[in-house]
Amino acid sequence: RKEVEQDPGPFNVPEGATVAFNCTYSNSASQSFFWYRQDCRKEPKLLMSVYSSGNEDGRFTAQLNRASQYISLLIRDSKLSDSATYLCAVPDTPGTYKYIFGTGTRLKVLA
Amino acid sequence: SQTIHQWPATLVQPVGSPLSLECTVEGTSNPNLYWYRQAAGRGLQLLFYSVGIGQISSEVPQNLSASRPQDRQFILSSKKLLLSDSGFYLCAWTKTLREQYFGPGTRLTVT
Repeated sequence: RKEVEQDPGPFNVPEGATVAFNCTYSNSASQSFFWYRQDCRKEPKLLMSVYSSGNEDGRFTAQLNRASQYISLLIRDSKLSDSATYLCAVPDTPGTYKYIFGTGTRLKVLA
Repeated sequence: SQTIHQWPATLVQPVGSPLSLECTVEGTSNPNLYWYRQAAGRGLQLLFYSVGIGQISSEVPQNLSASRPQDRQFILSSKKLLLSDSGFYLCAWTKTLREQYFGPGTRLTVT
């Protein structure tokens, strides 16, 4: 099993739709999780951090399910500008200072 | 506030030529620094990370090397580039195991 796994998509959704992506992780000791947004040919940019059960920022909600070892990202009222690739990241085992990134989920919001 | 710089932004190099990419961070001290490579349409591959001056951890055996001559400077080098070294090189920083922030990246094409 990959350490961090994401559905590559693409997820094609109409404007205004609600869409959710999942990210599964293998290290049950993980305590923090991150969602990044990456536009084509650009660097990843931090979207949300999750340190407990979840986090919400405007139209974006991240939820953590420790029992099933996945984090989800929910985007409500999708905008054309939300089209991007969404990466999740999980710190590796404590003390290694390494982060494990998923390969990303591509979202296309259609007019 | 903290900023991270990378240069050059793009680079086209012939096979067998040397490489030097530079990354500097401003506005923080003693950051953890990282080099990633992202091949076209692929996820982020961790190449090197550093938790202090002169301390380099290598993740992938290859013809690349990294150095950290100053607290906020991280350099990625190669003596002889291979075609497979083409990709998008990203430098990132973090303090402890919290949010990781990326530089704008260098797009390298080896011809």
